[in-house]
Amino acid sequence: DQQVKQNSPSLSVQEGRISILNCDYTNSMFDYFLWYKKYPAEGPTFLISISSIKDKNEDGRFTVFLNKSAKHLSLHIVPSQPGDSAVYFCAAKVAYDMRFGAGTRLTVKP
Amino acid sequence: EPEVTQTPSHQVTQMGQEVILRCVPISNHLYFYWYRQILGQKVEFLVSFYNNEISEKSEIFDDQFSVERPDGSNFTLKIRSTKLEDSAMYFCASMWQGSGKLFFGSGTQLSVL
Repeated sequence: DQQVKQNSPSLSVQEGRISILNCDYTNSMFDYFLWYKKYPAEGPTFLISISSIKDKNEDGRFTVFLNKSAKHLSLHIVPSQPGDSAVYFCAAKVAYDMRFGAGTRLTVKP
Repeated sequence: EPEVTQTPSHQVTQMGQEVILRCVPISNHLYFYWYRQILGQKVEFLVSFYNNEISEKSEIFDDQFSVERPDGSNFTLKIRSTKLEDSAMYFCASMWQGSGKLFFGSGTQLSVL
């Protein structure tokens, strides 16, 4: 099942800089896209989402961009903080069916 | 804040044994899910459950797997005869209708020896 792809397994950025996490999808029927954050030994927690009818959603330091023509979305974190270090999962939903990407491990260095 | 609760947090079993993983979803949620994550790999969808029946299942969810919501609060995943490759972290999740947001439990780490 490769409907949602995160091609970068890891990303390292300096504290204060921008982190950009990318995600691609193949199913044009997805109507909602989400980002989840996961710390070790914990379940994923919801971070931010975007409807397929929008191209941008912002919540504090977190912004999600959606490019439907390219079937691509990205999560921007600015400024990045050491506490942002975690695995970030992109997810996409159609009706109540939610699929996840493989995750990108973000490391924010002080 | 309401949360999804999973028990046990760790389960060790012998190959071929049956295991039941338990979950208590958030009380007003209508959609329920099981996912698993093998160490170092992606979070994989197993099954979704709505209105007391399976809505969708993945190819992983074969005849050895079953789900049940026996009493209106618990949501269980049963693996009838465990295999070594079933060793993984199993996450239960629930969603309120239409929200698009899954709420996950902390997971059950299943180790099959």
